[in-house]
Amino acid sequence: AQKITQTQPGMFVQEKEAVTLDCTYDTSDPSYGLFWYKQPSSGEMIFLIYQGSYDQQNATEGRYSLNFQKARKSANLVISASQLGDSAMYFCAMREGSSNSNSGYALNFGKGTSLLVTP
Amino acid sequence: NAGVTQTPKFRVLKTGQSMTLLCAQDMNHEYMYWYRQDPGMGLRLIHYSVGEGTTAKGEVPDGYNVSRLKKQNFLLGLESAAPSQTSVYFCASSLGEQFFGPGTRLTVL
Repeated sequence: AQKITQTQPGMFVQEKEAVTLDCTYDTSDPSYGLFWYKQPSSGEMIFLIYQGSYDQQNATEGRYSLNFQKARKSANLVISASQLGDSAMYFCAMREGSSNSNSGYALNFGKGTSLLVTP
Repeated sequence: NAGVTQTPKFRVLKTGQSMTLLCAQDMNHEYMYWYRQDPGMGLRLIHYSVGEGTTAKGEVPDGYNVSRLKKQNFLLGLESAAPSQTSVYFCASSLGEQFFGPGTRLTVL
């Protein structure tokens, strides 16, 4: 079963506006972490933001914030004041943190959302 | 610190050929991973290692082997390459946050 679902294959946003990229997850592990990565056309994976399942406050990193709704199992990325350089693929990922983890705390990735920022 | 490095960056193979992808990290991380990324897909875990001398299978391990003889290196081998293994391969290492290498683009003809 898909553990991370990103329902928006592609998104457009105008420069300087805010955009929300959706991510829902599925886990029965009480301890987990949620990550967002940016992948520009050059191909590298750039870490943006992290939210732990026990964190009381939503994570923020500069123009990036994570809208974490635990009961709904969603972890949407909000980019404020979009810039042309934000055009990229964005991946949501989850790491399950139980001691019985059978994947060495590897990440489960969604299929990604392609964001295009227009002038 | 170089972080996570991968060699080679690009490679073209013929079906049936073998090759080894090298991942190296200088952050003294215990955990290392190999993922593959195919068009329209996120990254999928091939194999991982929780420490020197240990390896384990991930979600898509068939056709690949790995070794972790030294803590800083994690090797991914393709014994007999197939066109289905055409992909971009990412290595990562982790202490908490995962740090990714730049990727290796492999084409199997």
